[in-house]
Amino acid sequence: DAMVIQNPRYQVTQFGKPVTLSCSQTLNHNVMYWYQQKSSQAPKLLFHYYDKDFNNEADTPDNFQSRRPNTSFCFLDIRSPGLGDAAMYLCAIEGQGEAFFGQGTRLTVV
Amino acid sequence: QKEVEQNSGPLSVPEGAIASLNCTYSDRGSQSFFWYRQYSGKSPELIMSIYSNGDKEDGRFTAQLNKASQYVSLLIRDSQPSDSATYLCAVISGNQFYFGTGTSLTVIP
Repeated sequence: DAMVIQNPRYQVTQFGKPVTLSCSQTLNHNVMYWYQQKSSQAPKLLFHYYDKDFNNEADTPDNFQSRRPNTSFCFLDIRSPGLGDAAMYLCAIEGQGEAFFGQGTRLTVV
Repeated sequence: QKEVEQNSGPLSVPEGAIASLNCTYSDRGSQSFFWYRQYSGKSPELIMSIYSNGDKEDGRFTAQLNKASQYVSLLIRDSQPSDSATYLCAVISGNQFYFGTGTSLTVIP
């Protein structure tokens, strides 16, 4: 069974139209991460949470926001998607020395 | 300086050979090290985790960690065409998870 579930798997949004990606986990791990991965590049860390403590990477655009209402769920909000935001968005959890990824959400901006 | 560095490749090996993938990291205090396999268009899949110096074997995969030299490697024995993918090295450092840029491996039938 999947430990990290991301929805939707594929998301098409219009330029400038807010979009929310979701991630849930079944392991109650403390740490959750959001990564952006573009073609042929390594995953780029956007944010991470340690419990409810939010850590924003210095170069994460203000256009990207995140919410973690409880241990199990985490959301990535893109307030005004641009063409350059088209990418795979990966959620990962980490705890007890292990780290696992969800299947990712492929975002297309039209 | 990048936290985690890998040779981007591409690395090509014939079927049945040993593929050797290497990774170095900059934070001497790092404690947890991972190898992920990523097929094109898919999310990274955890292959191995290693925390102590030495070798850790799991099937055809062996991870090697040398903290003094700050490197971690992955050996794939009896390489198969299905092993063709990008391999990402990852390190937990200061409560953050850093990836290398990945090494592209092609196993030639």
